[in-house]
Amino acid sequence: DAGITQSPRHKVTETGTPVTLRCHQTENHRYMYWYRQDPGHGLRLIHYSYGVKDTDKGEVSDGYSVSRSKTEDFLLTLESATSSQTSVYFCAISEGQGGGNSPLHFGNGTRLTVT
Amino acid sequence: KNEVEQSPQNLTAQEGEFITINCSYSVGISALHWLQQHPGGGIVSLFMLSSGKKKHGRLIATINIQEKHSSLHITASHPRDSAVYICAASRNYGGSQGNLIFGKGTKLSVKP
Repeated sequence: DAGITQSPRHKVTETGTPVTLRCHQTENHRYMYWYRQDPGHGLRLIHYSYGVKDTDKGEVSDGYSVSRSKTEDFLLTLESATSSQTSVYFCAISEGQGGGNSPLHFGNGTRLTVT
Repeated sequence: KNEVEQSPQNLTAQEGEFITINCSYSVGISALHWLQQHPGGGIVSLFMLSSGKKKHGRLIATINIQEKHSSLHITASHPRDSAVYICAASRNYGGSQGNLIFGKGTKLSVKP
């Protein structure tokens, strides 16, 4: 299994508080992604990174920011959590260009509840 | 209409049955992925294919580029195959790194 660790695995937080989720990889893969998974929807891309300090927005990026200061770490921050951000968050990595040329490897997910 | 459609949404089978899950897409793609998500939530990549057929154990994935359709087959199904199977299409226009479109998944339950 690819070495991807997400932390925390579960979190409950209150509306309006900032929250940071961490994705750590030991594979030295260039590409990293944050997805959210909600009932009735497929996985949806929040943000992705194609290198250290190189990030871009996905389709559901509003209310989220990311940072990648090291190859191995990709942080997702909810600046001011809202109930609509209650979801399961998955980090994924790929060696080559995501989806087109390389398989994705997923972390085990973080279940976030915003009350 | 979603760009990636899976059918059926839910599938119940008896152990030993041959199972087919379908995926249709409406965009030009460079690759099609099949993923498996177990009840515990983890997601595993099963196949990535751009043409023809791939086989791994009891799992077979096929793709017809002209018809924009892919199938995932499971032979001699087993209760441990119970999971959600997700298909994802990688758009073939350049630039965007995260340009995967995911289907909503097919929930498979295999009864002993």
